[in-house]
Parts: sequence; C-alpha cells; structure tokens
Amino acid sequence: DAKTTQPPSMDCAEGRAANLPCNHSTISGNEYVYWYRQIHSQGPQYIIHGLKNNETNEMASLIITEDRKSSTLILPHATLRDTAVYYCIVRGTSYDKVIFGPGTSLSVIP
Amino acid sequence: GAVVSQHPSRVICKSGTSVKIECRSLDFQATTMFWYRQFPKQSLMLMATSNEGSKATYEQGVEKDKFLINHASLTLSTLTVTSAHPEDSSFYICSARSAGGTGTDTQYFGPGTRLTVL
Repeated sequence: DAKTTQPPSMDCAEGRAANLPCNHSTISGNEYVYWYRQIHSQGPQYIIHGLKNNETNEMASLIITEDRKSSTLILPHATLRDTAVYYCIVRGTSYDKVIFGPGTSLSVIP
Repeated sequence: GAVVSQHPSRVICKSGTSVKIECRSLDFQATTMFWYRQFPKQSLMLMATSNEGSKATYEQGVEKDKFLINHASLTLSTLTVTSAHPEDSSFYICSARSAGGTGTDTQYFGPGTRLTVL
C-alpha cells in the first residue's frame, strides 16, 4: 500500500475551518484516499473518500490535487466535538483492509 | 448506517486468565472481520483478518495461539486473549466488512473493548 504523511498535530479555533493535509506521493492510479477519525477511547469513524475528484458530504470536504500526490480534508466549521485523531489512508478498493498510520491529532480550541 | 457492536466495553481480569471479546455486525452480514489493538497514545495496529468459516490470517508478530479468533457466523467474531498478562492490556477494536455496497465505505468499526490485566 502507498504510504501517507500527515503532520502529527494541529490546532484550530472553534467555528473556523480545519484544513488537514496529507501527502501520498506514491499513490497509484487505482488507489483511493480515505479519511477516518478517532475520538478519544472510541472506535474509528469513516469520514469521506475520493479517487481524483473533490468530494463533499455532511461531515467534510476532500480536496485532491490534480497530480493526486496530496489531499486536504476540510471541516468547514470546526466544533469542540471534532477534536480527534484524523487518519488519511490510501486503499486500492473499499474491500482492502484498513492500515492506520500515526494520523494528525486535531485540537479544536474554544 | 451499518452498526458494529463489541462486548464487553471494558474488562478487568487477573493475570493468567483468558478473556473473550465479542464483535457483532448488527444489521448486515460480515464475510470478513478485522481485529486491531491500540496502546495508549499509539495508532491502531491490525492483528488479524478473519473470514467466516475459515481460519484467521494473523499479521506478522501476532501470536495466533495467544489471540484466538473465531468467526463462526456472518454476524459474530470472537477474540480470546489466552493466559493474559499485564502487557496485553490494551484497547481492542474490531471491524466488520460488509459483503456489498458502494459509494461509501464497506468497513465499519466497533466501539472498542478496554482490557486491563492485573
């Protein structure tokens, strides 16, 4: 599987947009970018995924660069409940097992 | 959405005893289930993959005789930690993969089980 690189931690002011970057420079053409998050002492939660086009759902937006070597997860109006570890994962298909890296610990500050 | 449950949510046991953790897919059939372990301030580590009716596939470094996995039905997988020791204390998370579905994800995670071995 292609590796991803994320900053270990980030802060975001409550109500502002949280932009979480992810580098995946070795991604191959048929691999998807998935984002999960884990709130403390809970199981991971699926957020969003994409292949090459930008995606948006009720939780977040995913912006993938044209060369697909990096992406950004955007939480448009961060709340305190968005404080969590966010994992960017590259997978061939949704049937591939999910392998977690260190992720980014996002702290939303009042 | 698809729901995965785990039981118990937390368990405390004495060293040397065995502990069983159940993982259930509540509203879908899971042909494949995954077990992860997470130590404090670390990421989730995949332990094994189990397919219904067949033997589990363990990741490198995970002792299959210590972590017994049974996936006897399409909605239930169990992880038994045998002869538990304090170093087995961890957060154990299961994940179930649905047999179909497109558009979103097909792998759903349980809430986790906190194991403390005294």
